[in-house]
Amino acid sequence: KQEVTQIPAALSVPEGENLVLNCSFTDSAIYNLQWFRQDPGKGLTSLLLIQSSQREQTSGRLNASLDKSSGRSTLYIAASQPGDSATYLCAVANQAGTALIFGKGTTLSVSS
Amino acid sequence: SQTIHQWPATLVQPVGSPLSLECTVEGTSNPNLYWYRQAAGRGLQLLFYSVGIGQISSEVPQNLSASRPQDRQFILSSKKLLLSDSGFYLCAWSVGWQGNTGELFFGEGSRLTVL
Repeated sequence: KQEVTQIPAALSVPEGENLVLNCSFTDSAIYNLQWFRQDPGKGLTSLLLIQSSQREQTSGRLNASLDKSSGRSTLYIAASQPGDSATYLCAVANQAGTALIFGKGTTLSVSS
Repeated sequence: SQTIHQWPATLVQPVGSPLSLECTVEGTSNPNLYWYRQAAGRGLQLLFYSVGIGQISSEVPQNLSASRPQDRQFILSSKKLLLSDSGFYLCAWSVGWQGNTGELFFGEGSRLTVL
């Protein structure tokens, strides 16, 4: 059974710092991996999608990498801003693509 | 463009009462549809997914059921709510499977409190 783990559970950084969020998964037979952002009391917003054949994806200040063989992904946030404060969730899709399994998230707080 | 709507946004129900949460998607056809629950400290749990009208797969045995009466409508129901059903329920969709990247898009969620 696929399990997704995110470390750390919470992170506090000053504005302007570069940071890395980690995600690991137990079964490397995945279809894709997605990173989401969730603001308190809100739904999830898709940030980046990496297909199983890809190594990384970039969007603005965000860069996500995928190492399927080791079961790891990282989300790199450059020059963090207070508006980046949210919970970041990692999710992997099974090979059939019928279900996304989520980690518990990393709650990020960026202070000005 | 595609949009997803969920309602109601918040709901407070007594134990033993019925439940109906509704989700509709606009701007696409034959989407895959999903219901997730997010409980405090437990992360998102996949409850049901559907690849077509009347086709429902259940991931977790529980007090809930799902139905897809129309292509872009997904309903989560319960006949008798339990305290443990409290949580934040999220509907999501993705492009139907042929040529699908698998990217998932979420609604704004429905917060259910069972008292």
